[in-house]
Amino acid sequence: AQTVTQSQPEMSVQEAETVTLSCTYDTSESNYYLFWYKQPPSRQMILVIRQEAYKQQNATENRFSVNFQKAAKSFSLKISDSQLGDTAMYFCAFMKRTGTASKLTFGTGTRLQVTL
Amino acid sequence: NAGVMQNPRHLVRRRGQEARLRCSPMKGHSHVYWYRQLPEEGLKFMVYLQKENIIDESGMPKERFSAEFPKEGPSILRIQQVVRGDSAAYFCASSPQAMEPYGYTFGSGTRLTVV
Repeated sequence: AQTVTQSQPEMSVQEAETVTLSCTYDTSESNYYLFWYKQPPSRQMILVIRQEAYKQQNATENRFSVNFQKAAKSFSLKISDSQLGDTAMYFCAFMKRTGTASKLTFGTGTRLQVTL
Repeated sequence: NAGVMQNPRHLVRRRGQEARLRCSPMKGHSHVYWYRQLPEEGLKFMVYLQKENIIDESGMPKERFSAEFPKEGPSILRIQQVVRGDSAAYFCASSPQAMEPYGYTFGSGTRLTVV
């Protein structure tokens, strides 16, 4: 079974600054996907960024980038130039690529507050 | 494309009643997943369905909970004889294929409150 751990329940960052959210996972799989989802107060789950485990290059989407360390099973999210609209819960998630199972395993989340 | 539609958005039930949560996947998506989010927790997988078939129900409680995804119509998550501990947000997600590499598209959830 896979587990995903987010050790930072809450974080705060000032507008325009950079913040990094941590995520570690445990799996015996070698082929998998990793995701970061954002959940604003509206409750909608929004995909922020994804990483394929076989790719060494870290994924980047505009102000969002990841630091994927496969050997260390670490998948942190960096948000640059933070904006007030980035205030939300952020969930790290794992999906294995083999077999018929297609479920996402989520961490417990990090609540990010962006302040003026 | 309307996205994943869940209704109702809020549902209040008294203990012992039945709750029926509906999910219409995105057009062209034949894979549906249900997740439950307890307060201040992450989403926990419940069940994965493909049209008319349950593929993986390893996260479903053994009693009182059932799910279906008929050939026609939305997917339904049914909770019989609800108890206070069933109070949570229930999310549905859909994808066009299994192990969708771009993740799923989630609905906005149904918040169930049991009083």
